[in-house]
Amino acid sequence: DAGITQSPRHKVTETGTPVTLRCHQTENHRYMYWYRQDPGHGLRLIHYSYGVKDTDKGEVSDGYSVSRSKTEDFLLTLESATSSQTSVYFCAISYSGTSGIYNEQFFGPGTRLTVL
Amino acid sequence: GENVEQHPSTLSVQEGDSAVIKCTYSDSASNYFPWYKQELGKGSQLIIDIRSNVGEKKDQRIAVTLNKTAKHFSLHITETQPEDSAVYFCAASISRGTSYDKVIFGPGTSLSVIP
Repeated sequence: DAGITQSPRHKVTETGTPVTLRCHQTENHRYMYWYRQDPGHGLRLIHYSYGVKDTDKGEVSDGYSVSRSKTEDFLLTLESATSSQTSVYFCAISYSGTSGIYNEQFFGPGTRLTVL
Repeated sequence: GENVEQHPSTLSVQEGDSAVIKCTYSDSASNYFPWYKQELGKGSQLIIDIRSNVGEKKDQRIAVTLNKTAKHFSLHITETQPEDSAVYFCAASISRGTSYDKVIFGPGTSLSVIP
């Protein structure tokens, strides 16, 4: 298994509170991604990073921010959590970001977030 | 924007039977189509992929076919086994000439193989 860990694995929080999810990799891959997975929607990209301090928005970025100060860590922050952000969050990594043999995405085990 | 549809959303088969999952995509510029398998409580894992210049690809019991004209692609699993039970996601990727190819995932198919 690719060396990807996510923390916490489960979290329950209240509306309006800030939440930070952490993704840590030991593969030294350049690209890191945050997805959310909801029934009927599959995996939707929130933000991605193509290097230290280099990030860009995905298709569902509203209400989320990210930071990458080190190659191995990619943080996802919900500044003020809402019930619509209840979801399972997956981090992924890839060596490359373009279609090719090295752009296979490796996923972490997920974080189940519940916002009450 | 790009959209990927996937059917069926749930599928139950008897062990040893075949399973077929179908996906359609909307953007004709899509050129790479990976399939991921997600086992319960785990992250997704790439199981097979196909590029737009190929019509079919096979790897042991799994195969993927691509029809670019109709903009649909399918996953075929033969001789299903209980360990094939999982959620399967199809995806379509579009090269944009930047350092990142946009990947759009389908909503997933929950496959149950009944022993």
